[in-house]
Amino acid sequence: GQSLEQPSEVTAVEGAIVQINCTYQTSGFYGLSWYQQHDGGAPTFLSYNALDGLEETGRFSSFLSRSDSYGYLLLQELQMKDSASYFCAVRADTGGFKTIFGAGTRLFVKA
Amino acid sequence: SQTIHQWPATLVQPVGSPLSLECTVEGTSNPNLYWYRQAAGRGLQLLFYSVGIGQISSEVPQNLSASRPQDRQFILSSKKLLLSDSGFYLCACGDFSGANVLTFGAGSRLTVL
Repeated sequence: GQSLEQPSEVTAVEGAIVQINCTYQTSGFYGLSWYQQHDGGAPTFLSYNALDGLEETGRFSSFLSRSDSYGYLLLQELQMKDSASYFCAVRADTGGFKTIFGAGTRLFVKA
Repeated sequence: SQTIHQWPATLVQPVGSPLSLECTVEGTSNPNLYWYRQAAGRGLQLLFYSVGIGQISSEVPQNLSASRPQDRQFILSSKKLLLSDSGFYLCACGDFSGANVLTFGAGSRLTVL
């Protein structure tokens, strides 16, 4: 089967750094992505890792270790507007067209 | 860039009634299209995806079906709704990058009573 595991909830203070972990089990693997979703809205793309290592995009970074089937999203200099749900997603199966999402991590940023 | 149009935005339907949710895409050709369902406070469950006209892959056997009658049109249907079909339905379109970045529509919130 295919599954992704991530923590259900994380709380942090404004200005801090937070890491959201994701472990996955899939048949076929073409990359790990991260999406952000604010309440009532649609998910929006944040980052993507196809190869091992760290990808940095502004305050957000994402890491992948394919040998460990593990990745994380790192959010720095947290702002109140970062309060949202964060989903890891894998492209899997033959051709990599199937994209499976984790259950999401709810991030609460406190002042 | 792609634009996803989804409708209706909200609907309330009785158990046993039919369903039709529509999704159209602008700004691209021959896209990969997806239907996801999200229960309140939960993750996104992949229901169907399509890599071309008439090509539908079903992920969750249930009373829902999908069709792609045109290149940029993706329809989610049911002949008889169940209470468990309530949720937030999202249509998405993949781009042609190596990441297959998904762009989502605004969603359709379905309540089955």
